[in-house]
Amino acid sequence: NAGVTQTPKFRILKIGQSMTLQCTQDMNHNYMYWYRQDPGMGLKLIYYSVGAGITDKGEVPNGYNVSRSTTEDFPLRLELAAPSQTSVYFCASTEAYEQYFGPGTRLTVT
Amino acid sequence: AQSVTQPDIHITVSEGASLELRCNYSYGATPYLFWYVQSPGQGLQLLLKYFSGDTLVQGIKGFEAEFKRSQSSFNLRKPSVHWSDAAEYFCAVGTGNQFYFGTGTSLTVIP
Repeated sequence: NAGVTQTPKFRILKIGQSMTLQCTQDMNHNYMYWYRQDPGMGLKLIYYSVGAGITDKGEVPNGYNVSRSTTEDFPLRLELAAPSQTSVYFCASTEAYEQYFGPGTRLTVT
Repeated sequence: AQSVTQPDIHITVSEGASLELRCNYSYGATPYLFWYVQSPGQGLQLLLKYFSGDTLVQGIKGFEAEFKRSQSSFNLRKPSVHWSDAAEYFCAVGTGNQFYFGTGTSLTVIP
């Protein structure tokens, strides 16, 4: 079991560029989440999904989009990158309220 | 709205000393409560969780936490800290399909 994997580990984007952060889990969990972590701010929920084909907004969804075509994958898309999106992004999958986190993607937008 | 407060941004303890990290939450009903640990450059790992029942819960790595409904608190404790416990600790509340995290407490352990 690889658990939750995220790619890339690091990325630098220019303002206005777009990119997709990949998240895959091999535990057959229905629930998956995207968070961003900023220094001193804890984790903020961006989007979540309760199963394939179902997604919903969290606390800070603006500037992001998600899709969930399979149980395993939950990609996060940034369409027009802005400096405010510089952060560390964590994906998690959940079963019985226990969250399993990926190692994170550190994104810098300059 | 739900919120989680960790009043201590940073705590320093000596190795072998006891530890208590504070967590207060704001929620209408009894939420599901969690403590996570994050080592530098890593994701979060679950230390322990409280859903119902016994208000003192045991977790991994020798940690325990006590739920006190009257104080809306879920403080994390360890009797004797090891140098490897140095990390960031997050308290979280689970409600419905969402989780809310505190801002974290950074723990430094001095020899």
